[in-house]
Amino acid sequence: DAMVIQNPRYQVTQFGKPVTLSCSQTLNHNVMYWYQQKSSQAPKLLFHYYDKDFNNEADTPDNFQSRRPNTSFCFLDIRSPGLGDAAMYLCATSRETGSPQHFGDGTRLSIL
Amino acid sequence: KQEVTQIPAALSVPEGENLVLNCSFTDSAIYNLQWFRQDPGKGLTSLLLIQSSQREQTSGRLNASLDKSSGRSTLYIAASQPGDSATYLCAVTRETNDMRFGAGTRLTVKP
Repeated sequence: DAMVIQNPRYQVTQFGKPVTLSCSQTLNHNVMYWYQQKSSQAPKLLFHYYDKDFNNEADTPDNFQSRRPNTSFCFLDIRSPGLGDAAMYLCATSRETGSPQHFGDGTRLSIL
Repeated sequence: KQEVTQIPAALSVPEGENLVLNCSFTDSAIYNLQWFRQDPGKGLTSLLLIQSSQREQTSGRLNASLDKSSGRSTLYIAASQPGDSATYLCAVTRETNDMRFGAGTRLTVKP
């Protein structure tokens, strides 16, 4: 059974039109992460939550924001997507900082 | 800043061969190192995690080693099978929970 679930699997949006990607977990883990992975590149951490504490990576564009309304759900909001934001977005969870991370299957975002 | 490099970028081997994938990192002050598998269009599946105090971890046909002082890790796959075909990524985590990935090695095992 999937433990980290990302919806939708594929998302198409228009240039500049806000889009939200969602992630849910059944593991009751404290930490949730969002990564961006472009074709044939390493996943790049955008930000993570430890419980309700938000931690933004220094080079994450302001265009990207996140919300974690409860333990189970975490959202990635892209306020004004540009063509360069087309990528696979991966959500992951871990019990604690430094614990093994469990990944969802990702959402592939396309920008028209 | 931690840099993680994986060589080679792609590898093709015949079925049954033993193989080694390499990962190197520039900052040896790591908390742990993790090897992942990624199938096309999918997320990451954790294979092995080595804590900074450990030298190696084994799971089935997989063995991962860690040499912190030299900034290197290897993933050894024994008796490779076509089902092992995937991209293998290594990632290092520092105590700040800053996790950095390599770009991966794309493995093809030919029947």
